[in-house]
Amino acid sequence: GENVEQHPSTLSVQEGDSAVIKCTYSDSASNYFPWYKQELGKGPQLIIDIRSNVGEKKDQRIAVTLNKTAKHFSLHITETQPEDSAVYFCAASLSGNTPLVFGKGTRLSVIA
Amino acid sequence: GAGVSQSPSNKVTEKGKDVELRCDPISGHTALYWYRQSLGQGLEFLIYFQGNSAPDKSGLPSDRFSAERTGGSVSTLTIQRTQQEDSAVYLCASSQVAGGGNEQYFGPGTRLTVT
Repeated sequence: GENVEQHPSTLSVQEGDSAVIKCTYSDSASNYFPWYKQELGKGPQLIIDIRSNVGEKKDQRIAVTLNKTAKHFSLHITETQPEDSAVYFCAASLSGNTPLVFGKGTRLSVIA
Repeated sequence: GAGVSQSPSNKVTEKGKDVELRCDPISGHTALYWYRQSLGQGLEFLIYFQGNSAPDKSGLPSDRFSAERTGGSVSTLTIQRTQQEDSAVYLCASSQVAGGGNEQYFGPGTRLTVT
């Protein structure tokens, strides 16, 4: 089955700097890759996703890149703000309605 | 519109007791998922419903865990004879079938503590 590895487990950046979180997956059949942000005491919030027919997707300060050949994808957050501090999870699945396989998360701290 | 809701938000139970957790998906979402998040860990898939049927129960950790969904809407996850290792946050997500996407939207979770 699918296995998703996520790095780093913790990341501290200065406000205004960029943050990058990387994930690798094992199943070449996976073609849907979402990213979730989880704040303390809340459920995960979908912030951006990418499908395998696209190499990059941007939404304001966040972007995701996908390299299908290498089976890895990354989340980029630019101009970080204190409110970006949270735990971020990557996931992979087949499209359609199938369970997501999650990475173990990255705790991002943005220092003002 | 309203998001996914779960109840209770917190549940403390004694070892050996049964518990029932409830999930109300987003209106019109036909797919519903249960995941479990242990302290400091990622999310672990438990079971998935398409309508009222469960095509994938592969994540249920033991036969003490069961789930049902009625009317294509509300789902309940039942844990019988709870054990301390069942302590975790139980998360529910829902998604639409139409469009081929797999965008799953999560509820706030139920924090279960077994003493």
